[in-house]
Order: sequence, then structure tokens, then C-alpha cells
Amino acid sequence: GESVGLHLPTLSVQEGDNSIINCAYSNSASDYFIWYKQESGKGPQFIIDIRSNMDKRQGQRVTVLLNKTVKHLSLQIAATQPGDSAVYFCAENRSGSAGGTSYGKLTFGQGTILTVHP
Amino acid sequence: EADIYQTPRYLVIGTGKKITLECSQTMGHDKMYWYQQDPGMELHLIHYSYGVNSTEKGDLSSESTVSRIRTEHFPLTLESARPSHTSQYLCASSEYQGAREETQYFGPGTRLLVL
Repeated sequence: GESVGLHLPTLSVQEGDNSIINCAYSNSASDYFIWYKQESGKGPQFIIDIRSNMDKRQGQRVTVLLNKTVKHLSLQIAATQPGDSAVYFCAENRSGSAGGTSYGKLTFGQGTILTVHP
Repeated sequence: EADIYQTPRYLVIGTGKKITLECSQTMGHDKMYWYQQDPGMELHLIHYSYGVNSTEKGDLSSESTVSRIRTEHFPLTLESARPSHTSQYLCASSEYQGAREETQYFGPGTRLLVL
């Protein structure tokens, strides 16, 4: 079935290093991807998104790369800080309509635990 | 910061009790969602709604039910709680944009423990 999964369940880095979190997806019809950050005891927080007509998008300290050929998505965090410690989820959204109505369904991957050491 | 709220944040309850998890958003979003999440695991969609009086089952089968009488409110009810219902429940909302991509905004979640 359709799935979005992460290569590495945990990632441990030193403060100031760059972090790369990877995600593989299997649905080639997916055309919109989102990265969420979830801190302990909180709901997922939107970080950055990218549409399938792009291969790179940059935000503040974060960059998302999309490789449609191999169905791979990555999140790069520059100068990682202790406050970046959280679980990171990628999610795919296949926009378009089904029966005339789109409900923006998201499929989430398992999550990567990022730990930043001071 | 998303204006979406969930209560209670934590709930410990005995088997067989009826519970309602509340979710409210003040963004005027048409669409709302309920996800179930076990610790460290992915989110599974259990219910969603396009708007008032619209509710649909999600990908993961759930014994819970939902209602959408007002745009801003999307409560989830378990008629008879069981230990297997122990999990975190996350509510989300998004603005309908037709066929375009829609970012979902999440509430803080309710952690449910059924004894």
C-alpha cells in the first residue's frame, strides 16, 4: 500500500552541526510534501513544505530537498541547536479531487528522533 | 502559532466509561481531522470532516465517533473506553483550497490512558 517511511529512526548531533533527516515515499502520485516537528508533549508543528514541481526549498535554517526520481525527501537543518531536539515527520499529500472533493489527506512516516547535544 | 485547542490534555479513566475529547479552532477552517498516535510512531487518520454536518472515517478503523455541528468544534467520543484505546489523540484543521495542497495545523493533543 501507500507509505511514507524514514531511513533513520534516530539522529544524534552536536550543537552547531548540520543535521540531515531523510524520508522515502512510495506513492509516485504524491505532489506535496510537508515536514513537521513534534516536541515532547506537543502536537506536530509545520516546518516547511515543498511541491513536486520543485526540487529544493529553503526556509530559516532549514532546507528541504525532493528527489522524485528515487522518491526521496530530506530535511536539512543548519547549525542545529538544542531547541531543535524533537521528532521529525515527513508527510505526503496527494492533492487533486476524488468525487469532486479533496480532503487534503496526509500520510505520515514513522518519525526520526533528533537529539542535539550541547 | 496555530489557534487550535484540545481538552483535556491528559485523561486517565476506567474501562467502560464514556469520554469526549474536545477540539476547537478559531481560524475558521472548513476541514478538521482526528489522528491517533502511539509514542514515537506515525500519525494515523481516524476521522475527518469537510465542514458542518460532514464526517468521514479515516484510514485507521476506530471505535470512536465524531460530530461537526459547528465549524469551530469537532469533538471525538468513545462510548465505552477500553485499554486498547490508550493513545495520544491529535486534532488538526486546514483551510479548503480546492485541489491545491493544504497544510494541516495541529492542536497539542490529548493523552488518554484507559485502565
